[in-house]
Amino acid sequence: AQTVTQSQPEMSVQEAETVTLSCTYDTSENNYYLFWYKQPPSRQMILVIRQEAYKQQNATENRFSVNFQKAAKSFSLKISDSQLGDTAMYFCAFMKPIIQGAQKLVFGQGTRLTINP
Amino acid sequence: GAGVSQSPRYKVAKRGQDVALRCDPISGHVSLFWYQQALGQGPEFLTYFQNEAQLDKSGLPSDRFFAERPEGSVSTLKIQRTQQEDSAVYLCASSLAGFGRMNTEAFFGQGTRLTVV
Repeated sequence: AQTVTQSQPEMSVQEAETVTLSCTYDTSENNYYLFWYKQPPSRQMILVIRQEAYKQQNATENRFSVNFQKAAKSFSLKISDSQLGDTAMYFCAFMKPIIQGAQKLVFGQGTRLTINP
Repeated sequence: GAGVSQSPRYKVAKRGQDVALRCDPISGHVSLFWYQQALGQGPEFLTYFQNEAQLDKSGLPSDRFFAERPEGSVSTLKIQRTQQEDSAVYLCASSLAGFGRMNTEAFFGQGTRLTVV
């Protein structure tokens, strides 16, 4: 079974700073997808960024980028020029592409990120 | 609709009471997932539908939990004889693709927070 571990329960930085959230995972699969989701107080999970394991290039989405180290099974999220609206819980998630079956997400425990003014 | 809608947003139930949680997925989305998120934890998979067929219910914690999607659109998660350990946020997610196609993005609702007293 796949497991996802986020070792930082809470993080806090000043506005405009850069912050990196850590995530490690355990799998025997070679092909899979990794995601970072943001969950603000409204509780709605919002996709931030995704990475296909077969792609060597790290994904980027505006201020958000990942450092994907497949051999180390590490998938960290970097937020540049952090903004107050980035304050939320952040979840790392793993998905195994199954042709017949539920392509379910396996989530980590989350990191609570606070951006201070 | 524009997004995944869940109702009610909050539910307080007395221990032993039955509850029903509703999910309206994005129109046209084939796949529908239910997740359970305990306080301070990441979401955990409960069950999966492709259209009206429940293809994976491996995450349902007991036979008190029952889900249906009779017409392939709206889904209801029912919990019978609620217990205190059922207190959690119940998240619904939908995605466009079904079997044989990659579900690379799941859209989540805002969840229902269930408190059993």
